[in-house]
Amino acid sequence: DTEVTQTPKHLVMGMTNKKSLKCEQHMGHRAMYWYKQKAKKPPELMFVYSYEKLSINESVPSRFSPECPNSSLLNLHLHALQPEDSALYLCASSQVGGHQPQHFGDGTRLSIL
Amino acid sequence: AQKVTQAQTEISVVEKEDVTLDCVYETRDTTYYLFWYKQPPSGELVFLIRRNSFDEQNEISGRYSWNFQKSTSSFNFTITASQVVDSAVYFCALSRGTSYGKLTFGQGTILTVHP
Repeated sequence: DTEVTQTPKHLVMGMTNKKSLKCEQHMGHRAMYWYKQKAKKPPELMFVYSYEKLSINESVPSRFSPECPNSSLLNLHLHALQPEDSALYLCASSQVGGHQPQHFGDGTRLSIL
Repeated sequence: AQKVTQAQTEISVVEKEDVTLDCVYETRDTTYYLFWYKQPPSGELVFLIRRNSFDEQNEISGRYSWNFQKSTSSFNFTITASQVVDSAVYFCALSRGTSYGKLTFGQGTILTVHP
């Protein structure tokens, strides 16, 4: 079983809906990440939180809004998404530092109607 | 700028064959880190190994082995006596020696092991 838990596993939403993706880890990691992965492509980094502060935003559209309420939780709030946003959204966590391996969750498969 | 190239898009082997997945990287940093991840159909990326730029020692873990050569900027991954459970997408990734864990991924190699 993965030590990074993502909910929901699957999500179908319309373009006008508001939904949130959740990620939780209890490994004591202080860095957390959101990635977007399209079919047959590598993951693309969206956001990095380090010590609960947003460290990297890879020019992600504002319809994606991350939130890190505490060191164990990471949310991704979704609003007014487009069909091209349909993808697998992966959360990861690690100790802080570029040399630290990241541990990934199973992801949320998101479909935008 | 950093770049990782996995030239093999798809590899198909029969069980018990040995298979090598290639990874070539580009970076101007003197300190960097290389990773291999496995992504089975379930979706999660599973961390396999990390190698530091200053440590060229090869590593073996069970049926898995890794060959890191700075002279050719390569970090290849060999599976010995492959099994059906090894079927997955394998990603090679590169990270800088900075505080933020930004990974540069290769395009991935789809490995299919047939019984």
